[in-house]
Amino acid sequence: QVQLQESGPGLVKPSGTLSLTCAVSGGSISSSNWWSWVRQPPGKGLEWIGEIYHSGSTNYNPSLKSRVTISVDKSKNQFSLKLSSVTAADTAVYYCARVLLSGSYSHFDYWGQGTLVTVSS
Amino acid sequence: SSELTQDPAVSVALGQTVRITCQGDSLRSYYASWYQQKPGQAPVLVIYGKNNRPSGIPDRFSGSSSGNTASLTITGAQAEDEADYYCNSRDSSGNHLGVFGGGTKLTVL
Repeated sequence: QVQLQESGPGLVKPSGTLSLTCAVSGGSISSSNWWSWVRQPPGKGLEWIGEIYHSGSTNYNPSLKSRVTISVDKSKNQFSLKLSSVTAADTAVYYCARVLLSGSYSHFDYWGQGTLVTVSS
Repeated sequence: SSELTQDPAVSVALGQTVRITCQGDSLRSYYASWYQQKPGQAPVLVIYGKNNRPSGIPDRFSGSSSGNTASLTITGAQAEDEADYYCNSRDSSGNHLGVFGGGTKLTVL
């Protein structure tokens, strides 16, 4: 059973950089899956942030692309999110998830529990 | 704005059937996946692909697709099905980026 666990600061100052890590257990991050970040502002819907393959290939949401970096650390079986120049609008629960992506099929089969990140001074 | 459009809210009487829809051009090329989210919890995959249910998801949940519209049907809705439901697919730009619908709040009466 694959498990994902987010970790990182719960409070980030405006204009700072949000940094989160997702630890993967019960499976290898080098498997044939993509690994994704999704966020959800309080009371709002889900927003796809981006994803990474173990090779280092990435895809990003165009609305966040200039501020987002997703990286992978195969030695630690984890992947990370950095979001720069944050504002209050980036306050959200951040989820990491495993993506099965093949041809016309795409779905998130395992999710972390989510971590709330608040942007405030 | 989302490239996948969902009705914000739908209601269903206990034991009846309800259909939640998701519209978008990309659904002509990609299958939708569907997620159930209850307050304070992470989303849970309920339907993926043509009409596949992960282990543990009741068979009252089913999926279908026609043209640019994907549907999630709950046949015999239960009180515990009250939740937010999100569709997900890839975008229509050709870059294969992820996109979620705005979500549908399902109320079981």
